[in-house]
Amino acid sequence: EVQLVESGGGLIQPGRSLRLSCAASGFTFDDFAMHWVRQAPGKGLEWVSGISWNSGTIAYADSVKGRFTISRDNAKNSLYLQMNSLRAEDTALYYCVKSRDLLYDAFDIWGQGTMVTVSS
Amino acid sequence: DIQMTQSPSSLSASVGDRVTITCRASQGIFNYLAWYQQKPGKVPKLLIYGASTLQSGVPSRFSGSGSGTNFALTISSLQPEDVATYYCQKYISAPVTFGQGTRLEIK
Repeated sequence: EVQLVESGGGLIQPGRSLRLSCAASGFTFDDFAMHWVRQAPGKGLEWVSGISWNSGTIAYADSVKGRFTISRDNAKNSLYLQMNSLRAEDTALYYCVKSRDLLYDAFDIWGQGTMVTVSS
Repeated sequence: DIQMTQSPSSLSASVGDRVTITCRASQGIFNYLAWYQQKPGKVPKLLIYGASTLQSGVPSRFSGSGSGTNFALTISSLQPEDVATYYCQKYISAPVTFGQGTRLEIK
């Protein structure tokens, strides 16, 4: 079964850091680009960042550029999101998402998400 | 950046109705357009990619059309289980952008 399982979310104070992880299974992880997408409570979907299969191409939304870092470890079938200088507006459910194929492609598999709440 | 504008923002229709949701890109995106369905409390699900290709397992009552800047998602005969919020997404390049969503309800 194809599965993405996120972890690492929680309640964090503004300005602090948090690292999200995503464990992939059921498919050949290093064949596909991966992304993080977030959804603030009651709001729509916002793409955060994407990484190609070999980490050769990485892209970020302007809202997180310079604060967030995406990475992957193909040997561990894992995707990561290092989030620094967190702000209240980063509060959201963060989804780990698989591209159909290339970095710029539709997203065919979504994890259940991990909630990040930034509040003092 | 390319903006994606969906309409309407909400829609109420009867079971069996034909329903159409539109999505407009601020610049041409060829057919790099996907549609997602998000049921209440659930994870988004890919319905259509490449503007008109149905994802495996998606009922055939869903269809997509358009290219360039104007796109549409059509449900040929609305079913109760189609109650959801629908999002379009452009993925031709970064930043990947979603429309604001269309909430579909049963009348």
